[in-house]
Amino acid sequence: KNQVEQSPQSLIILEGKNCTLQCNYTVSPFSNLRWYKQDTGRGPVSLTIMTFSENTKSNGRYTATLDADTKQSSLHITASQLSDSASYICVVTSTSGTYKYIFGTGTRLKVLA
Amino acid sequence: DSGVTQTPKHLITATGQRVTLRCSPRSGDLSVYWYQQSLDQGLQFLIQYYNGEERAKGNILERFSAQQFPDLHSELNLSSLELGDSALYFCASSVETGGTGAQYFGPGTRLLVL
Repeated sequence: KNQVEQSPQSLIILEGKNCTLQCNYTVSPFSNLRWYKQDTGRGPVSLTIMTFSENTKSNGRYTATLDADTKQSSLHITASQLSDSASYICVVTSTSGTYKYIFGTGTRLKVLA
Repeated sequence: DSGVTQTPKHLITATGQRVTLRCSPRSGDLSVYWYQQSLDQGLQFLIQYYNGEERAKGNILERFSAQQFPDLHSELNLSSLELGDSALYFCASSVETGGTGAQYFGPGTRLLVL
């Protein structure tokens, strides 16, 4: 069964600290993996998109990694800011004849001053 | 602001009713996607249209239908509404046919079924 699991479910860190969020998937066939940031009650915003051949992709203070062999991805946030408080969602795209988008349940990050 | 607009922002209706949600994609985007986000199920992909044609289908119920018009705006029709249909409905758009490019999400329509 195609699944995307994220950990931890929630995380609290102090401003300025780094953190890493995890995403494990069992989706096949694999097309790409996306990370989104979603503020409460608002639409998700794309952070990174990685295909099978990409190991790392950065977007400012956000760096995503992908290990297609172990089917794991991580999102590293450097020097966190209060505005990083949000849910971070991992989405895997499958290409079984047509595209399908399988969402993880997200990690809720809270950054404290 | 993603450039994707959705109307209405909020909708309150009763069980058994029918509603229509509207989405205008970013200028130049040909693909429109619909997603449902509920508290218990998270975000789920419903359906995608590209230049007026259905391109991909996800977990869309038979009571739900969508279409994309020649001017590229899209509508999601929800009928015979049930309490469990209460959710945030997002529309997203992209330039590509689907799968590989960035998707830009609208602000969503919050539907409450009483």
